[in-house]
Amino acid sequence: EAAVTQSPRSKVAVTGGKVTLSCHQTNNHDYMYWYRQDTGHGLRLIHYSYVADSTEKGDIPDGYKASRPSQENFSLILELASLSQTAVYFCASSDAWVSYEQYFGPGTRLTVL
Amino acid sequence: QQKVQQSPESLSVPEGGMASLNCTSSDHNFQYFWWYRQHSGEGPKALMSIFSDGDKKEGRFTAHLNKASLHVSLHIRDSQPSDSALYFCAASRGSGSWQLIFGSGTQLTVMP
Repeated sequence: EAAVTQSPRSKVAVTGGKVTLSCHQTNNHDYMYWYRQDTGHGLRLIHYSYVADSTEKGDIPDGYKASRPSQENFSLILELASLSQTAVYFCASSDAWVSYEQYFGPGTRLTVL
Repeated sequence: QQKVQQSPESLSVPEGGMASLNCTSSDHNFQYFWWYRQHSGEGPKALMSIFSDGDKKEGRFTAHLNKASLHVSLHIRDSQPSDSALYFCAASRGSGSWQLIFGSGTQLTVMP
């Protein structure tokens, strides 16, 4: 089964600080995604990537950057963390050639104080 | 307004009962659907996809799609406590599309 791991699993950050969330997949999938989950909003797409060294904006990219240095790794960067970025963040991957089923990691709970 | 709307927000059913979840897309560009399930403390996991009108059955789970009304439902028969989870409906532009628009979810509780 597809494997997506995330680190850290939880983090407390200070307002204005820099936060980096990491994601690693071992499935050889082309697509990788970053979502945030807030109560009442479901999952909202922040950034995605379909090839290494390239990232695309999703529906809510403001305040976030992404980096895909290799096919396996995808990072989400908050340069200046804000209170409104407190949420659970999920990374996911999918294969463009077999199925577009998205495989999710276990999530990172981020609290910005 | 969200493009994908789910109802109810929460649902309680007795063990062994039938759970019915609903989802509607407000965008005719998004008429292919997935159901995802998320247990507490975990990431979502795909349950099933449905791209054609009619029913699709996988074990105790049956999805029904009406493309004309952009309405999809998920029915879980013989519900088990392990089915207690947050269920998401997601819509895509096509069966071969990467982009998913998620609804806000239905919290299902199955009471022993």
